[in-house]
Amino acid sequence: GENVEQHPSTLSVQEGDSAVIKCTYSDSASNYFPWYKQELGKGPQLIIDIRSNVGEKKDQRIAVTLNKTAKHFSLHITETQPEDSAVYFCAASRGGGSNYKLTFGKGTLLTVNP
Amino acid sequence: DSGVTQTPKHLITATGQRVTLRCSPRSGDLSVYWYQQSLDQGLQFLIQYYNGEERAKGNILERFSAQQFPDLHSELNLSSLELGDSALYFCASSALGSGTGELFFGEGSRLTVL
Repeated sequence: GENVEQHPSTLSVQEGDSAVIKCTYSDSASNYFPWYKQELGKGPQLIIDIRSNVGEKKDQRIAVTLNKTAKHFSLHITETQPEDSAVYFCAASRGGGSNYKLTFGKGTLLTVNP
Repeated sequence: DSGVTQTPKHLITATGQRVTLRCSPRSGDLSVYWYQQSLDQGLQFLIQYYNGEERAKGNILERFSAQQFPDLHSELNLSSLELGDSALYFCASSALGSGTGELFFGEGSRLTVL
């Protein structure tokens, strides 16, 4: 089955700096790569996703890049703010139809210091 | 608010007991997913139901079972509980035909086995 590795497990940055989280996946048939943010006491929430036919996607301060050949994808957050502090999970899926079973990385605890 | 409702939010029970966790998906969502979140294992996929039928199975123990009812709510049954079953159990739902693959997570049910 799919295996997703995520690094680093913890990341501390100063407000205004950039943060980068990296993931690798093992299943070359995976075609859908979402990122979820989990705040304390809440369930994970989708913040951005990318499909295998796209190399990069951006949404305001958040961007995701995908390298299918190397089987890795990354989350980039620019101009970080204290409210970005949370646990971030990458995931991979052979998404399609009615099945979007996700395999998650183990998460990155991001702390943005004011 | 994701629109996914999970009950109970917290549950404390003893080893050997049986519990039932309940999930109501977002209105109109046909797919329900169950995930287990523990500190050392991250988010582990347990099982997916689609319109009442089991669609995908993950690392779900034989002591655990689930079902999805005609009104689309789902229940996860955990029996012969062990200390290691203590975790946060999430339910998520997704929309048919949306093409986005976005999973909407509830706030979880925290199970503590003493």
